[in-house]
Amino acid sequence: EIVLTQSPGTLSLSPGERATLSCRASQSVSSSYLGWYQQKPGQAPRLLIYGASSRATGIPDRFSGSGSGTDFTLTISRLEPEDFAVYYCQQYGRSFTFGPGTKVDIK
Amino acid sequence: EVQLVESGGGLVQPGGSLRLSCAASGFTFSSYSMSWVRQAPGKGLEWVSTISDSGGSTYYADSVRGRFTISRDNSKNTLYLQMNSLRAEDTAVFYCAKRQTPNYGPFDYWGQGTLVTVSS
Repeated sequence: EIVLTQSPGTLSLSPGERATLSCRASQSVSSSYLGWYQQKPGQAPRLLIYGASSRATGIPDRFSGSGSGTDFTLTISRLEPEDFAVYYCQQYGRSFTFGPGTKVDIK
Repeated sequence: EVQLVESGGGLVQPGGSLRLSCAASGFTFSSYSMSWVRQAPGKGLEWVSTISDSGGSTYYADSVRGRFTISRDNSKNTLYLQMNSLRAEDTAVFYCAKRQTPNYGPFDYWGQGTLVTVSS
């Protein structure tokens, strides 16, 4: 089983700041089958990024993904008030696993 | 518009059973593999099970294998999760989710979730 680790656990930032979230896999993620989701309280997760770096439909370009192999990054270039949420990475190359999440909260 | 609507959650005693349903619309249901993902209160996401487009292949997390059964009725555009021998640690919101492409890719649409509470 591929285990995903996310860091930091919590990121405290102000609107307008840049957020950098990390996701590390215990084994190489095949063909960059790595996605990122955003979840707000009481809501279902929303797909942001797939294939490590492709934005899903309707996702603003302030969200970007990068990485390959075992190290991946989600960057939010300038935080908007609606971006404060929990972010999960997921690998879907070999079964499915999710990381534990990074909470981005308001500083 | 893609819609996934779960139902069937509720309160059940330890050792009991429950069947969840997920009604799908807005896409060709029979062409896509479908999955269940759960989230315990205040916790992260956990993949539970996936079924292929035809229903011929099923996959389970170790934590539920042998207790849960995923199935689908393509004539009714409905996904199911039969849960037996329920434990307190199965308490969670259960989401059904559609894959982005028919048989691979991340989950691009999710239902609103249905809460399962296992308690005496």
